[in-house]
Amino acid sequence: NAGVTQTPKFRILKIGQSMTLQCAQDMNHNYMYWYRQDPGMGLKLIYYSVGAGITDKGEVPNGYNVSRSTTEDFPLRLELAAPSQTSVYFCASNGRGGGETQYFGPGTRLLVL
Amino acid sequence: AQKITQTQPGMFVQEKEAVTLDCTYDTSDPSYGLFWYKQPSSGEMIFLIYQGSYDQQNATEGRYSLNFQKARKSANLVISASQLGDSAMYFCAMREATTGNQFYFGTGTSLTVIP
Repeated sequence: NAGVTQTPKFRILKIGQSMTLQCAQDMNHNYMYWYRQDPGMGLKLIYYSVGAGITDKGEVPNGYNVSRSTTEDFPLRLELAAPSQTSVYFCASNGRGGGETQYFGPGTRLLVL
Repeated sequence: AQKITQTQPGMFVQEKEAVTLDCTYDTSDPSYGLFWYKQPSSGEMIFLIYQGSYDQQNATEGRYSLNFQKARKSANLVISASQLGDSAMYFCAMREATTGNQFYFGTGTSLTVIP
């Protein structure tokens, strides 16, 4: 059981470049999330999705886009990368039940220079 | 207002001693869940323990227990018999039934276990 997978693990981008962070889960979860975690800080919600075709903004959506065409996949798109987007990005998923914990991917470390 | 507040940025504990990490929450939803996660220096987020708002007893999972005081809106994590491997960041989180889409996370507490 792979759980939540993320690729790549690490990436260096130049200012102005774009990239897509991949996230997939094999637990048939409806809810999926993207967070960013800056050094020494907590998690900030970027975008989330409650099912295929449905996405919504979180706390810090500017500079990012998402899509959810399938239950399994929830890619995060960075357009015109900026140094402020240097962070660790976590994808997470959970089921509908109130007691269901979030399962996290291993994270993608992004450096924008 | 912050949904989850963790007021201890850093804590130290002697190996084999118990330690309490504080968490208070803010919600008007009668149905909610409280979660604790551990993030070691390697970076992954590890689920530790869950407490439902209607649970009558405090949750326990091995050396972890959750001291749930509903009237005070606190959900403190107690780690008994601390081990060196417990050194990590610890995050408290809440999920409300009415806004079940989102988890609200605290800013975390860094725990260092001293040999």
